[in-house]
Amino acid sequence: EAQVTQNPRYLITVTGKKLTVTCSQNMNHEYMSWYRQDPGLGLRQIYYSMNVEVTDKGDVPEGYKVSRKEKRNFPLILESPSPNQTSLYFCASSLGIGSYEQYFGPGTRLTVT
Amino acid sequence: AQSVAQPEDQVNVAEGNPLTVKCTYSVSGNPYLFWYVQYPNRGLQFLLKYITGDNLVKGSYGFEAEFNKSQTSFHLKKPSALVSDSALYFCADQTGANNLFFGTGTRLTVIP
Repeated sequence: EAQVTQNPRYLITVTGKKLTVTCSQNMNHEYMSWYRQDPGLGLRQIYYSMNVEVTDKGDVPEGYKVSRKEKRNFPLILESPSPNQTSLYFCASSLGIGSYEQYFGPGTRLTVT
Repeated sequence: AQSVAQPEDQVNVAEGNPLTVKCTYSVSGNPYLFWYVQYPNRGLQFLLKYITGDNLVKGSYGFEAEFNKSQTSFHLKKPSALVSDSALYFCADQTGANNLFFGTGTRLTVIP
């Protein structure tokens, strides 16, 4: 089954404790991206990747890192989480940008206390 | 500057009535516009898209959207709403060379 998976689905952590949210897709998609969803703000793009070893900042990259060492994986790293990073995070992938629809993972709900 | 806007946070409609969820865009040239739906505790799912061609685009679950260049709108419509259509709907602009922009979302509630 074609899908985007994320782990963990739920995470509660404390300020400053490094964490990684994994994202994997099995569709051989080149484009992958991370979003955060906050009430009243919709989805905002954090980082995106056009292909292996090619990443770039989205609209809200501060406090996040990503890597794309393999085509299927695109982990999101929070080196020192803060409470304002409490949010619902989605990973997405697609064949490319522009006319291609995005396939979204199920989401990761992160709480930073 | 935002490239798509959803002016309504909430839309309520009675089951069986037609529904409209509004989206306006501010992309110059020929935009690539999308609608996605989010059901509770799920990721977003693709509904339909406008790339070029016919202004009326048909998508999943009986939804359609009309691209109107003069009004810079891309409203989502369905002739007869179902209770199961209740969800959060996002309009998106994928015209950019590298990234995407989503509207703030509209919560649709279909009342039985």
